[in-house]
Amino acid sequence: AQSVTQLGSHVSVSEGALVLLRCNYSSSVPPYLFWYVQYPNQGLQLLLKYTSAATLVKGINGFEAEFKKSETSFHLTKPSAHMSDAAEYFCAVSDPWGLGGFKTIFGAGTRLFVKA
Amino acid sequence: NAGVTQTPKFRVLKTGQSMTLLCAQDMNHEYMYWYRQDPGMGLRLIHYSVGEGTTAKGEVPDGYNVSRLKKQNFLLGLESAAPSQTSVYFCASSVSVLVGTEAFFGQGTRLTVV
Repeated sequence: AQSVTQLGSHVSVSEGALVLLRCNYSSSVPPYLFWYVQYPNQGLQLLLKYTSAATLVKGINGFEAEFKKSETSFHLTKPSAHMSDAAEYFCAVSDPWGLGGFKTIFGAGTRLFVKA
Repeated sequence: NAGVTQTPKFRVLKTGQSMTLLCAQDMNHEYMYWYRQDPGMGLRLIHYSVGEGTTAKGEVPDGYNVSRLKKQNFLLGLESAAPSQTSVYFCASSVSVLVGTEAFFGQGTRLTVV
């Protein structure tokens, strides 16, 4: 089965600094990868997804992620953090299931704190 | 455009009590899911449905039951609540299970079992 590991349950950056959230995956098939964001007291919403079209994926709110097969990584970055980026971020991978099709497997999440 | 709506948003139960969480989606999605979210563990799939009248077990189904009598609704039941079921529950839906399909989430239900 596929799995994802997010390195660091908490990350703190200053406003204007680079945001780097790390995600490594394991997959026996070509992976399809996602980043979701969860703002306080809300559900998850899709930031971006990799589906093999391009290794550098751009998402909403200035975030992007790069798929690196050799490193089995899909790290999320943003050049300049904003206070509104404070949230929890989940990396996820599509996992094939027995009846056909795929379900989504989520990492444990990384909470991003942004300091003024 | 409501998307995925969960009710209630908060609930406190006593051990042994029962309750039903309701999820409704207005996007005509075939696939619906119930997840629980616990600190440090991400989201874990409880049950899912691939269409009206169908349900199936996910990773952590014990202690829960589900029903999908109408395409737009997916109910999660706890027959006899236990403190271990204290969690935040999320419902999600998707248009398909093709690889790379995005899931749409409700705002969650925070359940505390005392």
